[in-house]
Amino acid sequence: GAVVSQHPSRVICKSGTSVKIECRSLDFQATTMFWYRQFPKQSLMLMATSNEGSKATYEQGVEKDKFLINHASLTLSTLTVTSAHPEDSSFYICSASSASGGAADTQYFGPGTRLTVL
Amino acid sequence: GNSVTQMEGPVTLSEEAFLTINCTYTATGYPSLFWYVQYPGEGLQLLLKATKADDKGSNKGFEATYRKETTSFHLEKGSVQVSDSAVYFCALRSPGANSKLTFGKGITLSVRP
Repeated sequence: GAVVSQHPSRVICKSGTSVKIECRSLDFQATTMFWYRQFPKQSLMLMATSNEGSKATYEQGVEKDKFLINHASLTLSTLTVTSAHPEDSSFYICSASSASGGAADTQYFGPGTRLTVL
Repeated sequence: GNSVTQMEGPVTLSEEAFLTINCTYTATGYPSLFWYVQYPGEGLQLLLKATKADDKGSNKGFEATYRKETTSFHLEKGSVQVSDSAVYFCALRSPGANSKLTFGKGITLSVRP
């Protein structure tokens, strides 16, 4: 099946620094990638949708200048949390979808990145 | 807008018990319906899906039937195992290429030996 990886799996940083999280589709071309945030014991909240080669579409209430998303190739998207603060601590999950083939109707999820901001 | 409602949890069952996790939805048009499972410390995995009314999705002994008349997609398994302990999310996706998923709140299932 389709595999999506995320790196790093865990990151701890100091308040005020920036953190970059990578999301890669390993065996298919992801025309669209999604970034979610998951709070403890809660559901996933969609932050933004990115299509390869174009600007990301952010959900209402998500600061685009704080959560920078780049989708430069069909297999890689990055989320950069700029000037991180403790309230940004969360579990960040990406998913990828292809416009063709069996994966077209399905999002495949990465294993997530646990961000802790001290 | 779209929404997904899951039954309140957590749910604790003994091994080999019958499982039902309720899910109802509100959506315009004819969405695709999904169940995702999240094992401890891992990301979400697609468990099963159904794309049109009366379709039955099945995988690993789990089943769910797309019921348009009751706008439901309840998850069932005849005999749960300890390894089924996880968080289960019901989700829907409206028609259209790469449209976004709407998730329910998720429910934690714990299976006792």
